[in-house]
Amino acid sequence: DIQMTQSPSSLSTSVGDRVTITCRASQSIISHLNWYQQKPGKAPKLLIYGASNLQSEVPSRFSGSGSGTDFTLTITSLQPEDFATYYCQQSYYTPITFGQGTRLDVK
Amino acid sequence: QVQLVESGGGVVQPGRSLRLSCAASGFTFTTYAMHWLRQAPGQGLEWVAVISSDGTKKYYADSVRGRFTISRDNSNDTLYLQMNTLSRDDTALYYCARDGSAGWGSHRHDKWGQGSLVSVS
Repeated sequence: DIQMTQSPSSLSTSVGDRVTITCRASQSIISHLNWYQQKPGKAPKLLIYGASNLQSEVPSRFSGSGSGTDFTLTITSLQPEDFATYYCQQSYYTPITFGQGTRLDVK
Repeated sequence: QVQLVESGGGVVQPGRSLRLSCAASGFTFTTYAMHWLRQAPGQGLEWVAVISSDGTKKYYADSVRGRFTISRDNSNDTLYLQMNTLSRDDTALYYCARDGSAGWGSHRHDKWGQGSLVSVS
């Protein structure tokens, strides 16, 4: 199975900050990497697919990059509603696998 | 709009069975693969199974293969997950999710239900 490793596991941030979360796959997944946001008590929400494609209706302050094994999610100018947990997911092989999550909280 | 509504969760003893349902609406169910995922309390996301739009292809996580069965009823726009020989490790919130593109193979999840809680104790 492909292992997905996210860093950091948690991050204390402030409104207006630029945030970068990284995700590393244990082998190449080309660009089959997706990012999700999950708020407490809610289902996950797809933000980025195919490493860099913004899902419909997701704000443009979210962006993704990378290919092969190394990927990043960037949030420019963090907004209050962005405090949540973020997961990367590889969709190249089954079993589909997720990173362990990165929790953004208020500094 | 797209809606996915799970049902069938509850408290069950170890070794017993449970069947989850997911009623879909607001899109052409027959053109999308569908997935089950789960999230144990306080833990991360785990993919469980996927079924193709026509029901002919099914894939499972190692942790459930041989115990869980994914199926669908395209005449009633409903997805199912039959869970047998449940253990405490299966305790989780179970989500159904739509595949991110019509056809087969994107394996991303663009629409999710609210989840159905399964507690094995």
